[in-house]
Amino acid sequence: GIQVEQSPPDLILQEGANSTLRCNFSDSVNNLQWFHQNPWGQLINLFYIPSGTKQNGRLSATTVATERYSLLYISSSQTTDSGVYFCAVGVGSGGSNYKLTFGKGTLLTVNP
Amino acid sequence: DAGVTQSPTHLIKTRGQQVTLRCSPKSGHDTVSWYQQALGQGPQFIFQYYEEEERQRGNFPDRFSGHQYPNYSSELNVNALLLGDSALYLCASSLGTWRAETQYFGPGTRLLVL
Repeated sequence: GIQVEQSPPDLILQEGANSTLRCNFSDSVNNLQWFHQNPWGQLINLFYIPSGTKQNGRLSATTVATERYSLLYISSSQTTDSGVYFCAVGVGSGGSNYKLTFGKGTLLTVNP
Repeated sequence: DAGVTQSPTHLIKTRGQQVTLRCSPKSGHDTVSWYQQALGQGPQFIFQYYEEEERQRGNFPDRFSGHQYPNYSSELNVNALLLGDSALYLCASSLGTWRAETQYFGPGTRLLVL
């Protein structure tokens, strides 16, 4: 099956710093999503981005499908950005929706 | 517009027992997927239901079964519970089309098996 690798596994920042999280995947994908998991376990959708670039406030993401990687950028980080960030990819042939394969996540800690 | 809901939020069971977890998809969605997340790991796909049928299945034993109702809500059943079944169980809903769609997750059910 498809492999998803996220880096770095852990990241510690001071409030106000910028960061880049990376997701590499081993095959072509139809679906790529970035999530933030809060301390209570809720997976919050950040981006649906199988290709291209998107921005939402301080967060932006870029997926280069031909090179099989995606980047999540966090600018001017805040303590509320702390948590685990997951990249998940989907591969399928249509007819029903695509199962997601998750990476192991990046644990981000933003200190005041 | 209600998002994905799951019940119960927490559950404690003993080895050998059976458990049923429930999920209501986001309004307008007809596809439900279930994931298991062990502590410190990413979620792993269990199975997916669409049009009341299991469409895809991950690498989980037959002790894990499910059902989808005509209103698109879904249940996950786990029989003969093992200690290793302790995890966060997440439900995701999406719109079943011929192209990939965004999946939205519920808050999860935390299962502890003693």
